[in-house]
Amino acid sequence: NAGVTQTPKFQVLKTGQSMTLQCAQDMNHEYMSWYRQDPGMGLRLIHYSVGAGITDQGEVPNGYNVSRSTTEDFPLRLLSAAPSQTSVYFCASSYSSLDGAYNEQFFGPGTRLTVL
Amino acid sequence: AQSVAQPEDQVNVAEGNPLTVKCTYSVSGNPYLFWYVQYPNRGLQFLLKYITGDNLVKGSYGFEAEFNKSQTSFHLKKPSALVSDSALYFCAVRDGSNYQLIWGAGTKLIIKP
Repeated sequence: NAGVTQTPKFQVLKTGQSMTLQCAQDMNHEYMSWYRQDPGMGLRLIHYSVGAGITDQGEVPNGYNVSRSTTEDFPLRLLSAAPSQTSVYFCASSYSSLDGAYNEQFFGPGTRLTVL
Repeated sequence: AQSVAQPEDQVNVAEGNPLTVKCTYSVSGNPYLFWYVQYPNRGLQFLLKYITGDNLVKGSYGFEAEFNKSQTSFHLKKPSALVSDSALYFCAVRDGSNYQLIWGAGTKLIIKP
């Protein structure tokens, strides 16, 4: 199993550009989520999904969109990049369909995004 | 408001000594508590969790954590530190309103030979 994979590993954008961060898992997990990690702030939840076709907002959803058309994939779209979105982005998955907070979350290696 | 606090930005321990990384929480309802570790340039890895039952929880790599309801704490411990334990450690608690995890800011653990 590859686990949770994320692409790209690094990305530099200019203000106003859009892009999609890719996330895939091969563990048949129903729950998937996107976090951003900023120094001294821990992880903040952006969006999450409890199954294909179901998504919901987390703590900091503004400026980001998600979709979940398959169990395996959960892409994160930046609509119009801003310097405040410079961060490290992590995708995670869990085998719980009810929520992600009872069970161990498996994390991808992260995408380091810089917005100039 | 529900929250998690890790009061120490950094903890320094000599190899072979016991280590403690502190975590306190504030939640409504029963607390579900977690510890994760992040090695440099890597994603987070699960260490252990407390859902219910015994207050002393054992996890990966020889780590354990003690749940203390009266002090609302969930400190991470290890009897004998290794240099390879040096990493960033995160405490997290389930949000009782939407079931998502609330994360602490992280504690950098440095183990010196």
